[in-house]
Amino acid sequence: AQRVTQPEKLLSVFKGAPVELKCNYSYSGSPELFWYVQYSRQRLQLLLRHISRESIKGFTADLNKGETSFHLKKPFAQEEDSAMYYCAPGSGNTGKLIFGQGTTLQVKP
Amino acid sequence: KAGVTQTPRYLIKTRGQQVTLSCSPISGHRSVSWYQQTPGQGLQFLFEYFSETQRNKGNFPGRFSGRQFSNSRSEMNVSTLELGDSALYLCASSQGQGTDTQYFGPGTRLTVL
Repeated sequence: AQRVTQPEKLLSVFKGAPVELKCNYSYSGSPELFWYVQYSRQRLQLLLRHISRESIKGFTADLNKGETSFHLKKPFAQEEDSAMYYCAPGSGNTGKLIFGQGTTLQVKP
Repeated sequence: KAGVTQTPRYLIKTRGQQVTLSCSPISGHRSVSWYQQTPGQGLQFLFEYFSETQRNKGNFPGRFSGRQFSNSRSEMNVSTLELGDSALYLCASSQGQGTDTQYFGPGTRLTVL
């Protein structure tokens, strides 16, 4: 079965500290991998996708196929990074995303 | 370009009724996906439509259905509403080629009393 696990419901860090939001997936085939973010009172939006290898707002994500993980990282957290983050593998050639339960990132001043 | 729009934004229904939600994708996008978001289950995939055909379906009962029109606008329908159907319903559009980035609408908040 396709499954995504984000083990932390809440991650609280101080401004300037490094951040790592964990994502482990169980998926047949080679899914495309995404991180989506939802800021307070805003709609869900793309943060980054694996295939583009872009760094958005200082975030990066490394795919580890052996561990089937796609952890999201940022070296220095900012208060404006406070949001809900979702890891989501995509099913090949379709518009189906399997979302994890999400991790709330709280960056304290 | 205008973003994905959903109507209505809020809806209150009673058990046993049916409801239709509407989604207008970004211009030029041919794929529309629907998701249900609840505090307990999180975001769950309902179905996807591409060029007026259902391309993928999640694990929801047959009371949940949808369709897509030739202009790519999509509707989803829930019949015989149950209390557990109370949720935020999100639609997302993409160009539909491969596993594209999906652009989400603001959602329709459905409350079933």
